[in-house]
Amino acid sequence: DTAVSQTPKYLVTQMGNDKSIKCEQNLGHDTMYWYKQDSKKFLKIMFSYNNKELIINETVPNRFSPKSPDKAHLNLHINSLELGDSAVYFCASSQGVGGSTEAFFGQGTRLTVV
Amino acid sequence: GENVEQHPSTLSVQEGDSAVIKCTYSDSASNYFPWYKQELGKRPQLIIDIRSNVGEKKDQRIAVTLNKTAKHFSLHITETQPEDSAVYFCAALRGSGYALNFGKGTSLLVTP
Repeated sequence: DTAVSQTPKYLVTQMGNDKSIKCEQNLGHDTMYWYKQDSKKFLKIMFSYNNKELIINETVPNRFSPKSPDKAHLNLHINSLELGDSAVYFCASSQGVGGSTEAFFGQGTRLTVV
Repeated sequence: GENVEQHPSTLSVQEGDSAVIKCTYSDSASNYFPWYKQELGKRPQLIIDIRSNVGEKKDQRIAVTLNKTAKHFSLHITETQPEDSAVYFCAALRGSGYALNFGKGTSLLVTP
């Protein structure tokens, strides 16, 4: 009965590789997000989607490409991985106007680029 | 800008004492202010939230106050327990919606 699930939980890869992270929510929410948490624990919005449509793209390099095949899924594909991409990536979802209610987070994907 | 400033960055209290974390925000159109608790290696989880039409909200040992005029909001934890030890984040929903701006977090340590 996991509300927001993302896979994989850990991802270790070499520089230059391409990788994907998948996210699914079973809460019926309209809005989904990707947040990045760096080594200093700062949580920063990367993308938000509402009903499969991109609403926010927060000056993220275009090596990062989100895709929302339906409103329950929001995947993140990263091309040409760099050392600085190492972080924990959280998917989240929420409901309400503009996502104005509780955001539920997935368990996070710890990406390590070596 | 849409910054959220949070203080202090670390806070150490004795069990049973109170803890207060303060945040300020810059987006005057923000109307939703949640607080999240993140334990080590876990996901952020909502502990309390407040909307702009309310000045204070309480849930057992946790309370949040909001001063919209001053653009300040604060988290108050009373009778702290060791299990309250975690990183706490304040956030403000952007006035345009669809994203929370988070503070940089407060690492709270409650010592027995």
